[in-house]
Amino acid sequence: AQTVTQSQPEMSVQEAETVTLSCTYDTSESDYYLFWYKQPPSRQMILVIRQEAYKQQNATENRFSVNFQKAAKSFSLKISDSQLGDAAMYFCAYRSAPHAGGTSYGKLTFGQGTILTVHP
Amino acid sequence: NAGVTQTPKFQVLKTGQSMTLQCAQDMNHEYMSWYRQDPGMGLRLIHYSVGAGITDQGEVPNGYNVSRSTTEDFPLRLLSAAPSQTSVYFCASRRKSGQTVSGANVLTFGAGSRLTVL
Repeated sequence: AQTVTQSQPEMSVQEAETVTLSCTYDTSESDYYLFWYKQPPSRQMILVIRQEAYKQQNATENRFSVNFQKAAKSFSLKISDSQLGDAAMYFCAYRSAPHAGGTSYGKLTFGQGTILTVHP
Repeated sequence: NAGVTQTPKFQVLKTGQSMTLQCAQDMNHEYMSWYRQDPGMGLRLIHYSVGAGITDQGEVPNGYNVSRSTTEDFPLRLLSAAPSQTSVYFCASRRKSGQTVSGANVLTFGAGSRLTVL
């Protein structure tokens, strides 16, 4: 079974600065997807960014980018020019790529979460 | 589109009571799932369904039942609530996976339901 580990229960950053959230995962699969979700106090789960394991290029979405190190099984999230609205719980998640007869079809495995505080 | 709708948003139960958390989606998604969120443990999969009439267990299925009689609805039933089931519950759905992950097959979450069992 796959596992996802976020070793930073809490992080803080000054507004306009850059912060990196860590995520490692364990899998024996070669093809999979990785995600970062944001959960603000409203509790809504919001997709921040996604990465396909077969793509070597790191995904970027505006101020959000990832550092995907497949061999190290590491998937960190970098938030540049942090804003007050970035304050939230962030979850890293893993999903197997579809394959015939796979029992892990589509299931998303989450890390424990990192609470990000942004100071003005 | 309403997306994924969960009801109720809040519920307080006594130990031993039963209840059903409702989940409906209007996006014609084949895949639906239920997660529970507990502090320090992230979200854990309870049950999931890949289509009407097909359900399977996730990581923490004990104490919960599901059924999928239509594509749109995926209710979660607690037959005899226990304090250990105090949690926030999320329903999520997506389209069947393609060869790549795109906006079309990324999970869409409901707003969550906070359940307290006394």
